Amino acid sequence: TQLLEQSPQFLSIQEGENLTVYCNSSSVFSSLQWYRQEPGEGPVLLVTVVTGGEVKKLKRLTFQFGDARKDSSLHITAAQPGDTGLYLCAAQGANDYKLSFGAGTTVTVRA
Amino acid sequence: NAGVTQTPKFQVLKTGQSMTLQCAQDMNHEYMSWYRQDPGMGLRLIHYSVGAGITDQGEVPNGYNVSRSTTEDFPLRLLSAAPSQTSVYFCASSSTVSGNTIYFGEGSWLTVV
Repeated sequence: TQLLEQSPQFLSIQEGENLTVYCNSSSVFSSLQWYRQEPGEGPVLLVTVVTGGEVKKLKRLTFQFGDARKDSSLHITAAQPGDTGLYLCAAQGANDYKLSFGAGTTVTVRA
Repeated sequence: NAGVTQTPKFQVLKTGQSMTLQCAQDMNHEYMSWYRQDPGMGLRLIHYSVGAGITDQGEVPNGYNVSRSTTEDFPLRLLSAAPSQTSVYFCASSSTVSGNTIYFGEGSWLTVV
């Protein structure tokens, strides 16, 4: 049973379209991280959100942490083929190094 | 900038064989961990260590051993490989100094036949 539920599992869109990936849990976390993983590589950290209601922007990527710190979303505006990859959310408990990962969302952006 | 280095990159084992996946980091991170990644299941924590001489079990520790004799190295041992251990393995490290940002190695692809 995944502690973090990601949806959708797969997402295929045309270049220029927008997309949103969701990460939900019944637990409260001290922080939540989003990673992007390309084939043959390890996950690479995109952002960490720690405050309920927090919104962070990274170029065309917008990350939001829910008010209750139980859910998060990743929105990509005007997606490009270079955005193709596996997007993973991961959550960390208070004073805990351990991360729990969602199953991931595979995003494919077609040129 | 070596970061987290894992070896080997690919390995095929026969059922019952043992092997060690090596992991080394050069960032002086106190925390190191091993994950396995399987389709549709994300990354699951196998074992972790909060410092030299200290190890603990994660979510899926059965069939694996670890040791942390130095800050830099955190090898993962498969005692008697089983087909269910076919997976991609990632080593990771982090530190409170780095803001707990977790750095992953490039992965080790293991097939047990």
